[in-house]
Formats: sequence, C-alpha cells, structure tokens
Amino acid sequence: GAGVSQSPSNKVTEKGKDVELRCDPISGHTALYWYRQSLGQGLEFLIYFQGNSAPDKSGLPSDRFSAERTGGSVSTLTIQRTQQEDSAVYLCASSLKKGTSGQKTQYFGPGTRLLVL
Amino acid sequence: TQLLEQSPQFLSIQEGENLTVYCNSSSVFSSLQWYRQEPGEGPVLLVTVVTGGEVKKLKRLTFQFGDARKDSSLHITAAQPGDTGLYLCAGEIPRGEANNLFFGTGTRLTVIP
Repeated sequence: GAGVSQSPSNKVTEKGKDVELRCDPISGHTALYWYRQSLGQGLEFLIYFQGNSAPDKSGLPSDRFSAERTGGSVSTLTIQRTQQEDSAVYLCASSLKKGTSGQKTQYFGPGTRLLVL
Repeated sequence: TQLLEQSPQFLSIQEGENLTVYCNSSSVFSSLQWYRQEPGEGPVLLVTVVTGGEVKKLKRLTFQFGDARKDSSLHITAAQPGDTGLYLCAGEIPRGEANNLFFGTGTRLTVIP
C-alpha cells in the first residue's frame, strides 16, 4: 500500500512569509509525528498527534510553529513569519497503535526541504 | 540537550572493511531502533531491539542492545558501497498509546569502492 506522503517536496520562501507543509499518513495509522532535521543531523521532535486526543506540542521551537490534523488523517504544519534558521527538512511519520513496546514502528515520509532566504 | 550521542559522526572506509557505530545515553529505553537514511528520503527502519543484551543480525549488520538498555552498537562486516548513508539510532520512551522516539546525532558512513 501507499506510504507516508508529504508535499511540497521542496519549498523556497522569503524571510517573513508563512509556509504550510502537508503530510498524508498511511491509511489507518492513528499516530502522526512531525520532526525537523537540520543538514545531515539527527531528527528533532516537533509535535505528535494520537487519534482525537490533544496533540503533544512539547517539541515546537516557538509560537510561530503550529500544526493541525483534520479528521484524524491529513496534517498540516504551519510556520509563520519564517526565519532563516527555520531552513531544514521537515519529516512526517505515522504509526499504528498496536503491540508492545518496540512494535509501534514509525514510517517516515520523504520530507519537505524548506529553504528560507 | 541531546539524549542520544552517536559516534563517530563521520566515517569513511574502503569497501570490505569492518566498522562499528556506537549509540550512547544515560537514559534507559524500552527499545532502541536503528534507521538508515539516504539523500532525499526519510529514515527507514532497519531493526528494533527490545531486551537488554539482545543481538540481532541483518545480513552483514549486527545490532546489539546494552544490558542496561542505555546504549547500542551497529557493526557492519565487509562494508559495501551500498551501505553508504546516514545511520540513526533512536531510543523509545513509551508515552500513552504510541511511542516517543529520541533520535541520536547520526553517523554518516561513506564506503569507497
């Protein structure tokens, strides 16, 4: 079946503009995660959605970042008033709620490469 | 603060050589996962280790979880150019009904033909 998809694959924007990044998780996956990856580095957790529960926003770096998940499926990450330091790859992952520890595999999308000029 | 430290950060070796990548933390994890990421793609899960001391093999790759479930290693035997990529470890700390993963800093491996 289809994996996690993200759009756009690349986004170039000017400092101060708002951007929206989209994630389509695997059908039936109840958990959805957003991460940020700076050039060649590890992943930084941003936000996590589980079903209809309130999201875990503990990783969002500032109030310029927000995310929504409509109908328990598609998610949009919004960055307002972008800054140059926001340039990174934004990765989305989804997982099933099942199994014991270690079995709830996260499946990643290809990411959106954001460049803020 | 980085929860998981990987070493080395960069590694460039000749085809056929062996290598080991380390993933260390002062925190205890319920499981530890290893991913490989290629340019332009998201990370892809290689293996999950759950039990302290557990060893898993995936062809030429051997993964070990430390007895105290705080650290892990990835050993590659007879590296091939196709092994080139960014290797990431991630420790799981259960939270609610899904899992929170804390990623390491990554090891960028280049295997030279």
